Amino acid sequence: DGGITQSPKYLFRKEGQNVTLSCEQNLNHDAMYWYRQDPGQGLRLIYYSQIVNDFQKGDIAEGYSVSREKKESFPLTVTSAQKNPTAFYLCASRRTGGFYEQYFGPGTRLTVT
Amino acid sequence: GQQLNQSPQSMFIQEGEDVSMNCTSSSIFNTWLWYKQDPGEGPVLLIALYKAGELTSNGRLTAQFGITRKDSFLNISASIPSDVGIYFCAGLLRDGNKLVFGAGTILRVKS
Repeated sequence: DGGITQSPKYLFRKEGQNVTLSCEQNLNHDAMYWYRQDPGQGLRLIYYSQIVNDFQKGDIAEGYSVSREKKESFPLTVTSAQKNPTAFYLCASRRTGGFYEQYFGPGTRLTVT
Repeated sequence: GQQLNQSPQSMFIQEGEDVSMNCTSSSIFNTWLWYKQDPGEGPVLLIALYKAGELTSNGRLTAQFGITRKDSFLNISASIPSDVGIYFCAGLLRDGNKLVFGAGTILRVKS
């Protein structure tokens, strides 16, 4: 079954700790994305990558970091510099070459106390 | 960033009724996508639109790419309880490579 997996589903951390969220896809998609979702708001883009070993900041990149060492994987690190990290994080991927449909994973709910 | 105005913000309708929602902007878009999100889950793609004026159906769902390329509409016919959720529009700006998302329409259905 092809798809996008995110783990874990729920994550709890203490303030001041860095935490890494996993995103893996076996769809052979070139581009991958990280979004943040807060209640009552649309999705906001954190980082995206269109090719291995390359990534760009989205609209709200401050306090986050990513890597793209493999086509299948695009982990997101929420650092202690992120002022309000509690949110629902969504990973997505898409084919390139004129196709713009993004497919989403199930999400990770991060709670920082 | 660019704004997409999605309306209505929420709807509470009777089972069997038809539903309409839309997204509008002052910018021109090349692509419109419609997603549905269940609570605590990732959005699922419903319909993709690529041409101005295009009308596409997926079961009881029909979406249209506005002729001005600044808006899109989603209709759900004969709603059922499992239609509840949040519906998002997303657009690709004419000169962009990132999607812009609407804030979502919350749909609740009374059975």
